[in-house]
Amino acid sequence: DQQVKQNSPSLSVQEGRISILNCDYTNSMFDYFLWYKKYPAEGPTFLISISSIKDKNEDGRFTVFLNKSAKHLSLHIVPSQPGDSAVYFCAASARGTYKYIFGTGTRLKVLA
Amino acid sequence: SQTIHQWPATLVQPVGSPLSLECTVEGTSNPNLYWYRQAAGRGLQLLFYSVGIGQISSEVPQNLSASRPQDRQFILSSKKLLLSDSGFYLCASDRGLGSPLHFGNGTRLTVT
Repeated sequence: DQQVKQNSPSLSVQEGRISILNCDYTNSMFDYFLWYKKYPAEGPTFLISISSIKDKNEDGRFTVFLNKSAKHLSLHIVPSQPGDSAVYFCAASARGTYKYIFGTGTRLKVLA
Repeated sequence: SQTIHQWPATLVQPVGSPLSLECTVEGTSNPNLYWYRQAAGRGLQLLFYSVGIGQISSEVPQNLSASRPQDRQFILSSKKLLLSDSGFYLCASDRGLGSPLHFGNGTRLTVT
């Protein structure tokens, strides 16, 4: 049972444009959501997080949106840069647990 | 900020041989520690987590075990490797509930 789903395995975007990465979840107990970026042969790097009491969080070029009623979150990268090309994972955890459940990732390619 | 050291970076082992992967954390005390595995083309799967010395929770019954002999040391072991144990193993830590996970650079294990 995949509780966190990233339905787009890949995405290509032109440099300077917006990249939108999507993530859906099924467990209504999830209350903390994170996005990670991963380069080949490296560990994932934490980008940004959001708790369920918010619907938006911004950090520089990265914004995460949370739609609790739809059980959907998205990561917006504006403007996209070639260095953003990587695999992006969303993750979720439920209050009081130590488990972070990860999606299968979306490979973003930013074209120069 | 916390730094996670994992070694070795790559490892090739024959089927039936033992395994020991080590992870140490700097820059924090009393961290929660985690072992994840990323199989080819798949997401991150939680294998073990630990909230304190000697405390290990297993998420997936399998051929692996984990130990935490010191506060900032986490070890992943196997007595006899299987082909299916091949993958990218990641150690991670966080400072407690509601804080983001931080990952090491991983170990690429190939069982031949």
